Formats: sequence, structure tokens, C-alpha cells
Amino acid sequence: DTGVSQDPRHKITKRGQNVTFRCDPISEHNRLYWYRQTLGQGPEFLTYFQNEAQLEKSRLLSDRFSAERPKGSFSTLEIQRTEQGDSAMYLCASSLFDSQYQETQYFGPGTRLLVL
Amino acid sequence: AQKVTQAQTEISVVEKEDVTLDCVYETRDTTYYLFWYKQPPSGELVFLIRRNSFDEQNEISGRYSWNFQKSTSSFNFTITASQVVDSAVYFCALSEGEDSGYALNFGKGTSLLVTP
Repeated sequence: DTGVSQDPRHKITKRGQNVTFRCDPISEHNRLYWYRQTLGQGPEFLTYFQNEAQLEKSRLLSDRFSAERPKGSFSTLEIQRTEQGDSAMYLCASSLFDSQYQETQYFGPGTRLLVL
Repeated sequence: AQKVTQAQTEISVVEKEDVTLDCVYETRDTTYYLFWYKQPPSGELVFLIRRNSFDEQNEISGRYSWNFQKSTSSFNFTITASQVVDSAVYFCALSEGEDSGYALNFGKGTSLLVTP
């Protein structure tokens, strides 16, 4: 049983650099979510995809952030010109509606970003 | 405004004690979904339960039980006969369905420490 995977698991970068994270959802899950979690807080929604279409973005997703999901499979989250405030755990989740049109999001292990 | 409130920041119990984690939510929607996730020290969010707004039946799964009361907007989680392996941060989350793209609104979490 392959769950949601994320790569890398840890990333240390210097302020101003660009970083890219990858998320591979559970096979056949057509919905994919990105969340950000800072220390001592619950995850906060960033954006989500249904297949390859990005349907919603949070106000937290500044112009420096961009997400893609080509071909509706894996997704990437890029942060340009990183700032120290971007230091956080970036979580990916995937889901599929069941026969009753309800869904449960299953999370990956996260990518922990530290911006120096 | 916080839609999910977990008033207990930290709870410490001795093994075999019962413990209840509180969750209060706020929504104007008539259809919504409530979740509990467990986040062990490894960091990965583990799905525990999903509850729909139209199903107020309480649920028991082994040592875990959930009490959903719409009248008080609460969705509390009880662990019976706690074990050291239950030590983790537990998050309650609310999804307001299609209006919000099924994004999860998380509480700030309750850190549970179970000591031998």
C-alpha cells in the first residue's frame, strides 16, 4: 500500500534562494492539497488541485509561491526568493471522493524547510 | 476567526488513565465534516476518524471513542486506558465542503504525553 510521498524530507536553504518540493499522491487520488505547518500550530491550507486544475488558493500563498500538477499526477510547490518566515513544514495530502461524495485527506510525511 | 478551538494545549497523564481531548467548532453551514488526526513525533499526520454533520452517532474504535454533539458544536475524543504510544499531538479539523473546496481548518492541536 503506497501512501503519499514527499521529497525532500528536509531542506535547508539560504534566504533569497528558490526551493521546489515534490508530492506524489496515492495512486488514483484525483485531489491534492498543500498545507503549511509552523511550530506549535495546526496545518494551514495553501492550495488544492482537482486533477491538473488548481481550483483554490489561500491568501497565504503569496506571489513567491507557485504550485503545479502536470497531468494530474505528482505536484510541485516552488517558493522563490525564500524568506526566513517561510521556514515551516510543508504537507501534502491527497483524496478521492467515495460513493457518497465524501472525502478523507491522507497526508504525506512532509518537507521541513529551514531558511537561514 | 478560528473555526476550530482546542482549548487544551498540553495534557499529561499516567499510563492506563482515560483522557478526553476537547474540540469545539464554528460553522454556519448545515453540511460539514469533522476529523481527528494524530501527529506523532515523526511528523506525519495520521487520519483517525471522519464525522458528517448529519450523523450524530457516537463512535467507538478499540480504545478510541468520539462524542459528537451538534447542540454544543463539540466533537470530543476519548482515549481509554491510555498507553505510551498514544503520546502525540492530536488535531481536530473542520471541512465545510464544496464552499471551501473541502480544505481542512485545523485547530492548534493538543499535545498528549502519556508516561509509564
